[in-house]
Amino acid sequence: AQRVTQPEKLLSVFKGAPVELKCNYSYSGSPELFWYVQYSRQRLQLLLRHISRESIKGFTADLNKGETSFHLKKPFAQEEDSAMYYCALRANTGNQFYFGTGTSLTVIP
Amino acid sequence: KAGVTQTPRYLIKTRGQQVTLSCSPISGHRSVSWYQQTPGQGLQFLFEYFSETQRNKGNFPGRFSGRQFSNSRSEMNVSTLELGDSALYLCASSLMMRTDTQYFGPGTRLTVL
Repeated sequence: AQRVTQPEKLLSVFKGAPVELKCNYSYSGSPELFWYVQYSRQRLQLLLRHISRESIKGFTADLNKGETSFHLKKPFAQEEDSAMYYCALRANTGNQFYFGTGTSLTVIP
Repeated sequence: KAGVTQTPRYLIKTRGQQVTLSCSPISGHRSVSWYQQTPGQGLQFLFEYFSETQRNKGNFPGRFSGRQFSNSRSEMNVSTLELGDSALYLCASSLMMRTDTQYFGPGTRLTVL
């Protein structure tokens, strides 16, 4: 069965420090992995997807199939990064997304 | 371009009642997905509609149903409400199925008393 696990509910880092939000998944096929973000009083929005291998707002995420992980990283956290982050997996058929329970990131000034 | 809109934004119902929630996708978007968000379970996929047909369904009881109209607007219905149905119901639209970017609406907060 497909599952997305985000082990940290809460994560606090100081401004300028590196940040890593962990995401592990289980899926029998070749999944597509995404990170979504929800800033305070805003809607859930796509941050990045593993297929594009892009960096958005300084964040990157590498899909590690051996470790079944898709951790989100940023070398220098900014206060505006404080938000709720969700890791999501899309099965390789259909358009069904499986979301993790989210990690609330707080960047301390 | 207007974003995804959901109505109503807040709803209070009692056990046993039924409820209908509405979602208007971004203009031109044809795929609409519904999610239930609760503190304990997080975001869980309910179903997806494309071209007025349900394409995917999550693991929810038959009390949860939906439909999509020819203008891509979608409704979801929950019959015989239970306390555990209290949640934020999110709708997301995308241009086609399996396009990467889903745009989420603000959600409808349903409280079942």
